[in-house]
Amino acid sequence: QQPVQSPQAVILREGEDAVINCSSSKALYSVHWYRQKHGEAPVFLMILLKGGEQKGHEKISASFNEKKQQSSLYLTASQLSYSGTYFCGTELVLGNEKLTFGTGTRLTIIP
Amino acid sequence: DAGVTQSPTHLIKTRGQQVTLRCSPKSGHDTVSWYQQALGQGPQFIFQYYEEEERQRGNFPDRFSGHQFPNYSSELNVNALLLGDSALYLCASSIEGEETQYFGPGTRLLVL
Repeated sequence: QQPVQSPQAVILREGEDAVINCSSSKALYSVHWYRQKHGEAPVFLMILLKGGEQKGHEKISASFNEKKQQSSLYLTASQLSYSGTYFCGTELVLGNEKLTFGTGTRLTIIP
Repeated sequence: DAGVTQSPTHLIKTRGQQVTLRCSPKSGHDTVSWYQQALGQGPQFIFQYYEEEERQRGNFPDRFSGHQFPNYSSELNVNALLLGDSALYLCASSIEGEETQYFGPGTRLLVL
């Protein structure tokens, strides 16, 4: 079943923070986060595994709440380059690498 | 280090025709997955190839078939094209046993 992402869209001014949520009705093994700019391929951001810790690099981090089967992506002090559509991809079984993607969250950063 | 490459970049076909899309995985990667992305939607898993065999399949009809070659490159074939097959077709490669998938630029297919 497709994970649910919220919000569907958000507009921020440069420097503001954003949180994007991804929820599943099924038990998850891992959550993968991607960013896709218009007309381009999805770009891998990070992966969170069951039992793993919160991850992050620079100003983008994410967490995975196993009890709630929910992951959140945190973007702090957003930059213009952060604009795009963010997708979470969920994996139900260890190692099967079949990702089920949410419908995406469109993030627009304005100067 | 070359990333995932796909060809062609764009394709226009008519209903009923057949199409073949190609994917070369990232260097060192042995697993290839194919996804269909309709406009405004997230990618949907079609199938995955490893060791030249289809290992998993999503909810797609038999009109969608594929192949993986000894050099790990892969093809996606779609027969009897329908208007609803118009989409961006993405190939993602990974290393068996590792979780991260890297996507190619995609092939945009338009069925008229």
